[in-house]
Amino acid sequence: AQKITQTQPGMFVQEKEAVTLDCTYDTSDQSYGLFWYKQPSSGEMIFLIYQGSYDEQNATEGRYSLNFQKARKSANLVISASQLGDSAMYFCAMREDAYSGAGSYQLTFGKGTKLSVIP
Amino acid sequence: NAGVTQTPKFQVLKTGQSMTLQCAQDMNHNSMYWYRQDPGMGLRLIYYSASEGTTDKGEVPNGYNVSRLNKREFSLRLESAAPSQTSVYFCASSDLNSGTDQPQHFGDGTRLSIL
Repeated sequence: AQKITQTQPGMFVQEKEAVTLDCTYDTSDQSYGLFWYKQPSSGEMIFLIYQGSYDEQNATEGRYSLNFQKARKSANLVISASQLGDSAMYFCAMREDAYSGAGSYQLTFGKGTKLSVIP
Repeated sequence: NAGVTQTPKFQVLKTGQSMTLQCAQDMNHNSMYWYRQDPGMGLRLIYYSASEGTTDKGEVPNGYNVSRLNKREFSLRLESAAPSQTSVYFCASSDLNSGTDQPQHFGDGTRLSIL
């Protein structure tokens, strides 16, 4: 079974509208972290937002927020007021602390969602 | 403010040739990682190094070797390149000791084609 599932290969959103990118995860670990990265067409990986499994509040970073539903094992990224520069691939990734140690951790990535913002 | 630097950015090899991808970070991070990204597959971990002097296999280590030269540098070597190793390779670094919310920081990637 996939550990990270992003069910939307591609999405379109109108400029200035909000959009939600889905991410579900599978782990038996009680302690874990969820990350979202943006990959524009230029190719670099840009960190957007983080949610820890014990965090009681949903994470927010500017126009990005994370809709974290622990019981459903979902960590959806919400982008408010979409901009043309938001057009990119978006990856959800998970760190499982049972597999972390000595200060390092492995990330498991989903296959990504390609977001296109329409003017 | 370089962060993670990868060289080269592009490379074309013939099957059977060898090559080393270089990675250096200037953030004083303990841990470094090598990933490959294939179309429709997301990123997959090849090898990682928790600290200077240690390396461990990730999800897809076959056909690769790594060297953690010092705290700053972590290289990835293809001894006998195969077309299946055509991919975009990313190096990353992190320091979990600075907090569990610390992300991995990525280089800009190396686009490798093997003919």
